[in-house]
Amino acid sequence: SAVISQKPSRDICQRGTSLTIQCQVDSQVTMMFWYRQQPGQSLTLIATANQGSEATYESGFVIDKFPISRPNLTFSTLTVSNMSPEDSSIYLCSAKPYNEQFFGPGTRLTVL
Amino acid sequence: SQKIEQNSEALNIQEGKTATLTCNYTNYSPAYLQWYRQDPGRGPVFLLLIRENEKEKRKERLKVTFDTTLKQSLFHITASQPADSATYLCALDGTTGFQKLVFGTGTRLLVSP
Repeated sequence: SAVISQKPSRDICQRGTSLTIQCQVDSQVTMMFWYRQQPGQSLTLIATANQGSEATYESGFVIDKFPISRPNLTFSTLTVSNMSPEDSSIYLCSAKPYNEQFFGPGTRLTVL
Repeated sequence: SQKIEQNSEALNIQEGKTATLTCNYTNYSPAYLQWYRQDPGRGPVFLLLIRENEKEKRKERLKVTFDTTLKQSLFHITASQPADSATYLCALDGTTGFQKLVFGTGTRLLVSP
């Protein structure tokens, strides 16, 4: 299994600012993912972040808006840039050591 | 189009009964399917994984079936307890070989004492 922590757990931000979310895994994993979960909705994959390569973004998500770093096998960051109220959501980091996929507790973001 | 469907209506059952949740999918050929539990304000917690060549998987009070002909998975909780109340999500790998999980919309389970 993998234990995943995220920081911050929640934040309230002003429109036009950026927030960087950190994700730490307790073991080395090749594959990490970032998801978004809007209120009452299921999880939507933003991007796949593999160490040593550029993140791969899903349709509807772009690097300029959601830049991702993956400096090593246990850590990743997601930045939500130039935020608007529509970015208010829970952002979830995930890691996949084998076939099972594990999630962090999420970062609840509110944009005013 | 590709779809993963779970009953959007909450399932209400009495403590001690068996809860059965359904996950149907179309236009996917998953190598495996996973079930997660999610409590309000928390990230999903992995419960069970079942592979395409497995018909059934059990873990304590949980049982999952996987019918690739019907394109359906059933998730059972036997002897349900109020603590089992949560939203349950099914997820499958959307593209064989790329290992990206795609999630269903989830079904909320409410177990009353």
